[in-house]
Amino acid sequence: NAGVTQTPKFQVLKTGQSMTLQCAQDMNHEYMSWYRQDPGMGLRLIHYSVGAGITDQGEVPNGYNVSRSTTEDFPLRLLSAAPSQTSVYFCASSYGQGPTGELFFGEGSRLTVL
Amino acid sequence: AQKVTQAQTEISVVEKEDVTLDCVYETRDTTYYLFWYKQPPSGELVFLIRRNSFDEQNEISGRYSWNFQKSTSSFNFTITASQVVDSAVYFCASYGGATNKLIFGTGTLLAVQP
Repeated sequence: NAGVTQTPKFQVLKTGQSMTLQCAQDMNHEYMSWYRQDPGMGLRLIHYSVGAGITDQGEVPNGYNVSRSTTEDFPLRLLSAAPSQTSVYFCASSYGQGPTGELFFGEGSRLTVL
Repeated sequence: AQKVTQAQTEISVVEKEDVTLDCVYETRDTTYYLFWYKQPPSGELVFLIRRNSFDEQNEISGRYSWNFQKSTSSFNFTITASQVVDSAVYFCASYGGATNKLIFGTGTLLAVQP
């Protein structure tokens, strides 16, 4: 049972580089989301999706793009990385079109931007 | 606006003490859901409980109990007879259908000393 799979687990970037954090779930969940976790800030919602082809902004969307071409995948793109984007990123999914139930999290991706 | 406040940044107790983690929420939704998640030192996020706004009954699960009071907009979490394995960061979160966003508090770091 894979659940929510995130790759890579660790990444170091230089300022200005681009990258994509991959997220895949095998539970046929409609709702998927990306959070970032920073010390003292808790988990902050970046973007979310309620189904294939539908995405929306969360609390801190600037500097990040997402797309949802399939139910399973929800990649997060950093077009031009900045040191302020150094963080731990979590992908999560849940049943239905809103997280009214348990949110299933990936193991996290630690990103460092130099 | 939707907001979750966990005023206690860090709590330190000695094993077997009882401890209460506070959570205060703000929402304009009449239907909403409240959650607690645990993040142990290993980093994964573990779902603990969900309550909806129509059910103010307190919940007990082993050494864990939750007190939901709409009158004070609080959803507090009590651990009875704490154990070292309870050491973790605990997050409170709220979801409202109007925004379709699950918003987390900043978390409370609980350290249980042997």
